[in-house]
Amino acid sequence: GENVEQHPSTLSVQEGDSAVIKCTYSDSASNYFPWYKQELGKGPQLIIDIRSNVGEKKDQRIAVTLNKTAKHFSLHITETQPEDSAVYFCAATYGNNRLAFGKGNQVVVIP
Amino acid sequence: NAGVTQTPKFQVLKTGQSMTLQCAQDMNHNSMYWYRQDPGMGLRLIYYSASEGTTDKGEVPNGYNVSRLNKREFSLRLESAAPSQTSVYFCASRVGTGYKNIQYFGAGTRLSVL
Repeated sequence: GENVEQHPSTLSVQEGDSAVIKCTYSDSASNYFPWYKQELGKGPQLIIDIRSNVGEKKDQRIAVTLNKTAKHFSLHITETQPEDSAVYFCAATYGNNRLAFGKGNQVVVIP
Repeated sequence: NAGVTQTPKFQVLKTGQSMTLQCAQDMNHNSMYWYRQDPGMGLRLIYYSASEGTTDKGEVPNGYNVSRLNKREFSLRLESAAPSQTSVYFCASRVGTGYKNIQYFGAGTRLSVL
């Protein structure tokens, strides 16, 4: 099955700085890579996704990049704000209907 | 539009007790999922249902059973709860076909087994 590794496990940034979270995956057949944000006490929520035939995608202050050859993808958050503090999960598809999730990354934005 | 609704929100069980976690979605999605979330372990798939009438094991199915009651509802049953099943349980449903697998999650059920 698919194995998704996510680093670092915890990331602290000053408000206004950028945050980068990196993930690697093992299954070369994976073709879709979503990122989820989980706020305290809530379920994860999709924030951005990328398909394997695309190298980069942006949505306001967040962006995702994908290097299919190296099997890694990254989430970039620019101009971080306190409301960006959360746990972020990367994921990759495997099989016809499943997602394999990374272990999550706690992002703390320091005001 | 409620999305994915899970009940109960919190539950405390004694070892050996049984219970059923309920999940319902009102988005007419075909696929539904049960995950457990433990500290430092991310989200691990317990069971999923690709469509009404089908269920399949995920990564950590031991100690659980599921029922896809109809298109809206997908329940998770613990027949004899163990302390190792203390966790936060999330139900999700999927929108998208082909390569797209966008999952909508419920708010979770926090379960403690004593």
